[in-house]
Amino acid sequence: DTGVSQNPRHKITKRGQNVTFRCDPISEHNRLYWYRQTLGQGPEFLTYFQNEAQLEKSRLLSDRFSAERPKGSFSTLEIQRTEQGDSAMYLCASSSRGGDGNTIYFGEGSWLTVV
Amino acid sequence: GENVEQHPSTLSVQEGDSAVIKCTYSDSASNYFPWYKQELGKRPQLIIDIRSNVGEKKDQRIAVTLNKTAKHFSLHITETQPEDSAVYFCAASKNTDKLIFGTGTRLQVFP
Repeated sequence: DTGVSQNPRHKITKRGQNVTFRCDPISEHNRLYWYRQTLGQGPEFLTYFQNEAQLEKSRLLSDRFSAERPKGSFSTLEIQRTEQGDSAMYLCASSSRGGDGNTIYFGEGSWLTVV
Repeated sequence: GENVEQHPSTLSVQEGDSAVIKCTYSDSASNYFPWYKQELGKRPQLIIDIRSNVGEKKDQRIAVTLNKTAKHFSLHITETQPEDSAVYFCAASKNTDKLIFGTGTRLQVFP
């Protein structure tokens, strides 16, 4: 077990509703990443944090998406006014610039289905 | 920005044969190249990685080679087993600012 925890694991929501996913990274990992993966595709980068600072956001992250990491530990990804195209697996990952160097570990993902 | 291309998209081999998956990247500043294995409905799991200061790395049946000049890296799996069947993703990164993934290779190993 890599230790990155995500919840909920599965979420079914109606179009137009808001959803929030939570990610708890491996303890003491200062970098946290969000990716989105649809069936048959590779993970697509959305955003990442170093401690509490959001360092980069992909242009894939529309204004309906917001991510936070208020205390530099867990992070939340909120999707407002969900659309059917938002249906995907949302993956969180973490890394440390310390002993493991660049190794990035993924969580089990949060599956979103928008109906 | 970085772009990673991966080939082939599907690969079928007989148990015991070798499998090779190839990736190319566009950003010459990329210096970290991991490979992930993903089984259906599960998380990507790191199987091997290589940094730009080495040309080859091996871990039991798995090896990765890197050609920085050609901006090309490959995954080699020898003595394949049915449990190697999965989707494999290559990725490239510059100082782990973010990983850019390839499109994946579905490997099927037939007994």
